[in-house]
Amino acid sequence: KQEVTQIPAALSVPEGENLVLNCSFTDSAIYNLQWFRQDPGKGLTSLLLIQSSQREQTSGRLNASLDKSSGRSTLYIAASQPGDSATYLCAAPSHTGANSKLTFGKGITLSVRP
Amino acid sequence: GAGVSQSPSNKVTEKGKDVELRCDPISGHTALYWYRQSLGQGLEFLIYFQGNSAPDKSGLPSDRFSAERTGGSVSTLTIQRTQQEDSAVYLCASRRTTWTGAYGYTFGSGTRLTVV
Repeated sequence: KQEVTQIPAALSVPEGENLVLNCSFTDSAIYNLQWFRQDPGKGLTSLLLIQSSQREQTSGRLNASLDKSSGRSTLYIAASQPGDSATYLCAAPSHTGANSKLTFGKGITLSVRP
Repeated sequence: GAGVSQSPSNKVTEKGKDVELRCDPISGHTALYWYRQSLGQGLEFLIYFQGNSAPDKSGLPSDRFSAERTGGSVSTLTIQRTQQEDSAVYLCASRRTTWTGAYGYTFGSGTRLTVV
């Protein structure tokens, strides 16, 4: 059974700081891993999808890496801004198969102070 | 459509009433998922539809919960005899499916259900 862990549960940083959000998963036989952002009272917005054949993906100031052998993924946010304040969720497939349902971590609530 | 559409966005119902939540996925996405997010909790998988295959209902918390997907498109999640513990945000997602896992989930904005 896939388990996804995100620690810490909350993080507060000053504006401009580079930061790394960590995600660990127990079952490494995954086709991909996805990072999402959730603003208060809103749905989930997909940030990055990393396929198992890739080691990282980049979108603007965001960079996500995937290390299947160690069961870890990281989301790197460069030059953080107050608008980055949100909850960041990592999700990995629940079982082997390209179209598996996802198991989510509980998320990291990020606060970027002006 | 351009995104996953859910309705209503908010629903307040009395305990014991039935409710229906609707999800309209992205056109061409064969996979559709329902999740639930209770206050302060993580996302809980409910049910998964993939094409014409039998749905994966393994996450439904009780027999009061059911879902259907008509014509491989719109899905309706029905909760019968609602209880206060059913209060949560119900999120729907769709996905274009391949054998390579090259496509991720797209979520709707959710339906916030409050049972009073």
